[in-house]
Amino acid sequence: DAKTTQPTSMDCAEGRAANLPCNHSTISGNEYVYWYRQIHSQGPQYIIHGLKNNETNEMASLIITEDRKSSTLILPHATLRDTAVYYCIVRGGYNTDKLIFGTGTRLQVFP
Amino acid sequence: EAQVTQNPRYLITVTGKKLTVTCSQNMNHEYMSWYRQDPGLGLRQIYYSMNVEVTDKGDVPEGYKVSRKEKRNFPLILESPSPNQTSLYFCASSSRGGVYEQYFGPGTRLTVT
Repeated sequence: DAKTTQPTSMDCAEGRAANLPCNHSTISGNEYVYWYRQIHSQGPQYIIHGLKNNETNEMASLIITEDRKSSTLILPHATLRDTAVYYCIVRGGYNTDKLIFGTGTRLQVFP
Repeated sequence: EAQVTQNPRYLITVTGKKLTVTCSQNMNHEYMSWYRQDPGLGLRQIYYSMNVEVTDKGDVPEGYKVSRKEKRNFPLILESPSPNQTSLYFCASSSRGGVYEQYFGPGTRLTVT
């Protein structure tokens, strides 16, 4: 699985968009980009995933660059409850179910 | 409600006393997995199971056992716990054969003295 690089920490004002970047320059053609988050010491929570097209769901949007070497998770209107560690994970499509968690980005949303 | 449950949520035990952490999911998922989380080391996979009676080692399997006799259950067994197994443990499950999300349990905080 490709290695990912994320900033250690970020701040965001409540109500503003939080843009969390992830670099995955060694991603291969059949690998997906996944985002999970972990609030305090709770179990990680799935947010979104994508292959090459931009994706949006009720939680967030995922923007993947055309060369697929980086992506950005966007929380459009961050709330205090979005304070968490966000993990960007690159994973093969079919027979690799293991998630390899890096250190993630600690997002602090402030009032 | 779709969920992964773990029991107990908190456990303090002594070195060498066998213990089992249970994990159960109600989503009919084929794939289940155990992770441990330690400060500075992130989440690491201990064991995983592709389906009933099919288990395999993850990255840090030493000192742990698992079994998968039923699809919904995937217990983690520590035959002789040691202090270096003090950690936060998570069970996860997902459907197989695609790019499905994994659902995580709430975690079990284990302390071995």
